[in-house]
Amino acid sequence: KQEVTQIPAALSVPEGENLVLNCSFTDSAIYNLQWFRQDPGKGLTSLLLIQSSQREQTSGRLNASLDKSSGRSTLYIAASQPGDSATYLCAVRPGSARQLTFGSGTQLTVLP
Amino acid sequence: DVKVTQSSRYLVKRTGEKVFLECVQDMDHENMFWYRQDPGLGLRLIYFSYDVKMKEKGDIPEGYSVSREKKERFSLILESASTNQTSMYLCASRPQGITEAFFGQGTRLTVV
Repeated sequence: KQEVTQIPAALSVPEGENLVLNCSFTDSAIYNLQWFRQDPGKGLTSLLLIQSSQREQTSGRLNASLDKSSGRSTLYIAASQPGDSATYLCAVRPGSARQLTFGSGTQLTVLP
Repeated sequence: DVKVTQSSRYLVKRTGEKVFLECVQDMDHENMFWYRQDPGLGLRLIYFSYDVKMKEKGDIPEGYSVSREKKERFSLILESASTNQTSMYLCASRPQGITEAFFGQGTRLTVV
């Protein structure tokens, strides 16, 4: 059964820093991997989707990479801002499934 | 923009009540999902549907049922609410294929 792990569980950085969030998964047979942002008490906002054949995707200050063979993905946030403070969730769609399997998230705080 | 709308942001219900959580999407997506999110447990799949009147159990279906009479609407039903069903409920939808999933804003349900 696919398992997704996100480390660290929480991260606090000063404004302006570049940072990396990590996601690992146990089974490399995936369709895609998706990064989400969740603000307190709210739903999930999709940030980036990486197909299994892709190595990375970029959107603005965000860059997500995927290394399927090692079961890892990273979300790079450049020049962090206090508005980036949120929980970031990684989810994979296993090759045999319609649904996503989620990690437990990294709670990011960017200090002004 | 894809829109997934959950009928309520907050609900308070009494133990034993029958509870309906409604989710509507406006993009003609085939797949719809219900997750619950709890601290320390992450997001867990309750049920999903890949077509009208079609449903499949997720990881934690006990105590829940679903209904999908129309393509745009997916309802989660708590037949007899219990306090251990107090949680954040999240609905998602996705078209067929290797595509992005979109989430609603969440419903915070409290059972007293």
